[in-house]
Order: sequence, then C-alpha cells, then structure tokens
Amino acid sequence: DIVMTQSPDSLAVSLGERATINCNSSQSVLYSSNNRNYLVWYQQKAGQPPKLLIRWASTRESGVPDRFSGSGSGTDFTLTINSLQAEDVAVYYCQQYYRNPQTFGQGTKLEIK
Amino acid sequence: QLQLQESGPGLVKPSETLSLSCTVSGGSISSSSSYWAWIRQPPGKSLEWIGSIYYSGITYDNPSLKSRVTISVDTSKNQFSLKLSSVTAADTAVYYCARQGYCSTTNCHFSDYWGQGTLVTVSS
Repeated sequence: DIVMTQSPDSLAVSLGERATINCNSSQSVLYSSNNRNYLVWYQQKAGQPPKLLIRWASTRESGVPDRFSGSGSGTDFTLTINSLQAEDVAVYYCQQYYRNPQTFGQGTKLEIK
Repeated sequence: QLQLQESGPGLVKPSETLSLSCTVSGGSISSSSSYWAWIRQPPGKSLEWIGSIYYSGITYDNPSLKSRVTISVDTSKNQFSLKLSSVTAADTAVYYCARQGYCSTTNCHFSDYWGQGTLVTVSS
C-alpha cells in the first residue's frame, strides 16, 4: 500500500496568517501518461464528513475559497491556506488515488493561535 | 444535488455481522459515471477505504478487509449496502458512504459526495 504521511500533526496559526500542511507519499502518485498527480485534499470539521477541497493536487473545487491552494508533484505535496479565517479550523487530510487501496494521511489538526 | 444517507444499527456485538445501507437521492445509483464507496473512520483517527461498487454489481475491495466485506447494490431502491462479518472492537468507527467518479482494479478515485456518517460501536 502507498503510505501517506502528513506534517505537522497539528498546527496553530494566527488569524490572517498562512498555514502550510505537507503530505508525502511512499511512492510517486504522478501518472506519466497524463502528467497528473493522483492526490486530493479534504477538510473535515468536527462532527462532519470530509469535504473535498482540491483534486489532482492543485485543482480547487468549485466554491472553495481561493485562499486554499495545493501544490507539489511526485511524492511531495503542500496545502497552503492564506489569510487564515476562523472557519478554517478543521482537520485536513491528503489522499492518494493512484493505486488501490486508496490511502489517507493521518491528518493535520489546524487551530487558531 | 446528490445526497447520501447511511442507515443501520449503531451497536453490534463482537463476532457478529455489521450491516449498513446507503440511500442515494438527487441522482440515480445507476449512473454510468458513478461508483459507490464505503469509508470508515475510527474515533479520533484517519480514514480507511473499505470498498466500492458499480451499479452493475462489480466490486473493488481493500485487501485488508476483503475476506470480511460484502458490498452489494439494489438499483430498484437506489441503495447500496455493506456487510462486515466477524466484527471486533477494532471495527468501531463512523461509517461513511460516498460517491466516486471512477473505479478500476488499478485505482478508485476520490469521493466527492459523502453521507453524514453513522457511528457503529462493537460491544457486548
């Protein structure tokens, strides 16, 4: 199985500042034939199901604020949240869908400092 | 707007079989561009893909659970179901049903629509 490792496990950022979450996969999730990274980011608020934020490592979902951005390729990926808002408090997960079984990172808990 | 809703017992005894259903509304479970997944999340932990099914009945399983998992579909009811046998306390989790846009024996894609989840506790 492809192991997804996120860092840090938790993060406290001041309102209006930038939050950066990293995700590393144990093998590349870049599919060479279409040059796409098979990685998504989810946001999960307390008591709610995960919400899809970003697909293909960097394509933001419709309705997701543009302060959320995804980057990276191959095995190393980053979710950046610019100008942190109070409503961004959540646990963030990365997930690879390059190879079954699809696997998730352990999650990064984002709080307000 | 596609909606999914899980239903089933919230408490299951050890060694018994966990049974859940997911009802899809706002769209057809027989859509050629949709696959239907079960994902679980133990309390305070990350997510685990259990498996996915196409309306034709083709299934895609996580090998870690495969021997205990049965996923089925009922197109007449716009529902799909999960059975997990021989449960232990380690199977205590919130179980989500979700929609995926693609599956193959190689890979299943991400989940873009999720149910609210249902907590299943395994305890005597």
